[in-house]
Amino acid sequence: SAVISQKPSRDICQRGTSLTIQCQVDSQVTMMFWYRQQPGQSLTLIATANQGSEATYESGFVIDKFPISRPNLTFSTLTVSNMSPEDSSIYLCSVEGGSDTQYFGPGTRLTVL
Amino acid sequence: AQSVTQLDSHVSVSEGTPVLLRCNYSSSYSPSLFWYVQHPNKGLQLLLKYTSAATLVKGINGFEAEFKKSETSFHLTKPSAHMSDAAEYFCVVSRGGSQGNLIFGKGTKLSVKP
Repeated sequence: SAVISQKPSRDICQRGTSLTIQCQVDSQVTMMFWYRQQPGQSLTLIATANQGSEATYESGFVIDKFPISRPNLTFSTLTVSNMSPEDSSIYLCSVEGGSDTQYFGPGTRLTVL
Repeated sequence: AQSVTQLDSHVSVSEGTPVLLRCNYSSSYSPSLFWYVQHPNKGLQLLLKYTSAATLVKGINGFEAEFKKSETSFHLTKPSAHMSDAAEYFCVVSRGGSQGNLIFGKGTKLSVKP
């Protein structure tokens, strides 16, 4: 399985600011995914990020709010823009692992005041 | 469209007794199904997966799940609960095809009493 790291592990941010979350994987992967887990809730897919193409966003998520970069096959970033308290969540990246399996990073716990 | 329903939001068992976490799925084709576990303040860990091979799937930490197509179920079981099993468990179905992303159930919180 892939080893995935995320930075930062947690952060407390002020309303109206932006935070960029980094996801690094120890092997080359084609597909990376970003999920949001709101407090006490399950995971919801934000977008799929393939290297060399624009990210594909799920319904309810837009690029202006959650811009994503995928500069190479081992790295991706998710930015949470113009944050409000409703953005307080755990943000997780994952990578494909074959046979539809995904492996997840440890998550970034974001609190917006 | 694919979906999963976890029938219990919270299950409480005593240490040493069996664990049953229920999951029903809906899929227009033969799905890939997974169970993930999330311990408090930890990331998600893959417990086991079903990908159309054997219907009884064995995972880590003594967990197993049985794929029953006739019942559209994929329940997670363990013969004897351990205190360290206390966590949130997610039943997951793959959307499949070129999209490749996962659809998560709402989760079942497992509590283990001493």
